[in-house]
Amino acid sequence: NAGVTQTPKFQVLKTGQSMTLQCAQDMNHEYMSWYRQDPGMGLRLIHYSVGAGITDQGEVPNGYNVSRSTTEDFPLRLLSAAPSQTSVYFCASSTTRRGEQYFGPGTRLTVT
Amino acid sequence: AQSVTQLGSHVSVSEGALVLLRCNYSSSVPPYLFWYVQYPNQGLQLLLKYTSAATLVKGINGFEAEFKKSETSFHLTKPSAHMSDAAEYFCAANAGGTSYGKLTFGQGTILTVHP
Repeated sequence: NAGVTQTPKFQVLKTGQSMTLQCAQDMNHEYMSWYRQDPGMGLRLIHYSVGAGITDQGEVPNGYNVSRSTTEDFPLRLLSAAPSQTSVYFCASSTTRRGEQYFGPGTRLTVT
Repeated sequence: AQSVTQLGSHVSVSEGALVLLRCNYSSSVPPYLFWYVQYPNQGLQLLLKYTSAATLVKGINGFEAEFKKSETSFHLTKPSAHMSDAAEYFCAANAGGTSYGKLTFGQGTILTVHP
């Protein structure tokens, strides 16, 4: 199993550009999440999904969209990038509602 | 609402010394609790978890943690630090309930190990 994979590893955007961060898992997990990591703030939940076709907002959803058309994939879209979205983004999946989450390697995004 | 507080953003120990990383939680219901480790430029790896069974939980790499309900704490310990333990450690809580169990993370503690 590859586990949770994320692409790209690094990305630089200009303010106002849009892009999609890809996340895929091959463990048949129902639950998937997107977090952002900023220094001194731990990880904060952006959006999550409890199954294909079902998504909901987390703690910091503004400026981001998600969809989940398959169990495997959970892409995160930045609609109009802003410097405040400079961060490291992690995708995670879990097999149960309260179980441990398995994290991808992250995408380091810089918005200039 | 749940919250997680890690006391000390940086902890420095000598190789062979005791490692103690502190975590306190606030939750209206008994949470599931986790410790994750993050090595530089990598994702998070699960060290151990508490899911309301035994209060003393053993994890990978010689780490363990004890759930103390009266103190709302879940401190991480290792008897003897190794240079390879240098990393950032995150405590996280999942209070669950009827909706999706959202993970709430502490701010993280950077562990430095001196030779």
